[in-house]
Amino acid sequence: EAQVTQNPRYLITVTGKKLTVTCSQNMNHEYMSWYRQDPGLGLRQIYYSMNVEVTDKGDVPEGYKVSRKEKRNFPLILESPSPNQTSLYFCASSPTLAGGPGNEQFFGPGTRLTVL
Amino acid sequence: DAKTTQPTSMDCAEGRAANLPCNHSTISGNEYVYWYRQIHSQGPQYIIHGLKNNETNEMASLIITEDRKSSTLILPHATLRDTAVYYCIVRGHNYGQNFVFGPGTRLSVLP
Repeated sequence: EAQVTQNPRYLITVTGKKLTVTCSQNMNHEYMSWYRQDPGLGLRQIYYSMNVEVTDKGDVPEGYKVSRKEKRNFPLILESPSPNQTSLYFCASSPTLAGGPGNEQFFGPGTRLTVL
Repeated sequence: DAKTTQPTSMDCAEGRAANLPCNHSTISGNEYVYWYRQIHSQGPQYIIHGLKNNETNEMASLIITEDRKSSTLILPHATLRDTAVYYCIVRGHNYGQNFVFGPGTRLSVLP
């Protein structure tokens, strides 16, 4: 089944404790992206990757890191989490970044992160 | 990317058609109109997209005005499971243009 998976789905942690949220897709997509969703602010893009070893900042990259060593995986790293990073996180992928037919984004189920 | 405006919320009776409008008056010629929905806190789900012509798939129909400045997503027979936030997004086909999600329309399908 074609899908985007994220782990963990729920995480409660404390300020300053490094964590990684994994994202994996099995569709051989070039483009992957991370979003965070907060009440009243909608979905905001954190980082995206157009292919292996190619990453770029989205709208709210501060406090986050990503890597894209393999096509299927795009982990989100919080080196020193803070309470303002408490949010619902979504990973997404699409064949390429170009618009048009066949390039819709597929989203993962989400990771709810709480930083105390 | 062009900006979109949608009503904050709408209600629809179960079994009736739900018509969700979207204004995108600054859309440019190479920008597509996409619709996604998000049920509760699940990941957004692709519904449909179009450029100029009306489109229909198994989930919905998309009607785009001739001047392309607005569009309507139609769910022909809304069910309770269609209760969700619906996002209208315009995005060009040029490489490098990201999706920008606005606040969307919260559709409540009522029994």
